[in-house]
Amino acid sequence: SQQGEEDPQALSIQEGENATMNCSYKTSINNLQWYRQNSGRGLVHLILIRSNEREKHSGRLRVTLDTSKKSSSLLITASRAADTASYFCATQSNSGGSNYKLTFGKGTLLTVNP
Amino acid sequence: DAGVTQSPTHLIKTRGQQVTLRCSPKSGHDTVSWYQQALGQGPQFIFQYYEEEERQRGNFPDRFSGHQFPNYSSELNVNALLLGDSALYLCASSLLGYSNQPQHFGDGTRLSIL
Repeated sequence: SQQGEEDPQALSIQEGENATMNCSYKTSINNLQWYRQNSGRGLVHLILIRSNEREKHSGRLRVTLDTSKKSSSLLITASRAADTASYFCATQSNSGGSNYKLTFGKGTLLTVNP
Repeated sequence: DAGVTQSPTHLIKTRGQQVTLRCSPKSGHDTVSWYQQALGQGPQFIFQYYEEEERQRGNFPDRFSGHQFPNYSSELNVNALLLGDSALYLCASSLLGYSNQPQHFGDGTRLSIL
């Protein structure tokens, strides 16, 4: 079953604009990760935020985590056409005997128009 | 530094047949996880292998089985294929014992069932 829900399901913006995607999840987590997927290919890891962190930056990416609301957001600043892809949030928890299983949401399809 | 490699890239089978997919983990990694991604959905965890044993399993029937070899590479076997097994199958590797780390994904095997 899916742990997370991304919002919106699809987002279309112009090059240079910022893109914000949100993710909500249901259970307690060890960390939350964001991945990018280009057109049915493999997943590329973007950023990992631990449960005791509130904000993290990596280049043009900014991720926030609110464990009290069980939600996260991914901000991509100054978007480029090459950012066009599906973006997934995934959570890892310490329950169930393994802390490496990733539980994914359904993803946000981002289209950046040149 | 070789990343995660999967073979074959595409496969077409008919209902009732059996299929084997292969995965070589990233150099230095000892844990392999398999995910199924249906069209338009997020990846769903199938199972995880470490030290040649299945450590955790998702909500998949026994038709799905796996194996890990002493060199850490892994196979995913699916018996009695159904139309609903059509999906992108992703392999991910990591290093057990290190929490809060990303998983490294291969480009997947696209399985089509006719």
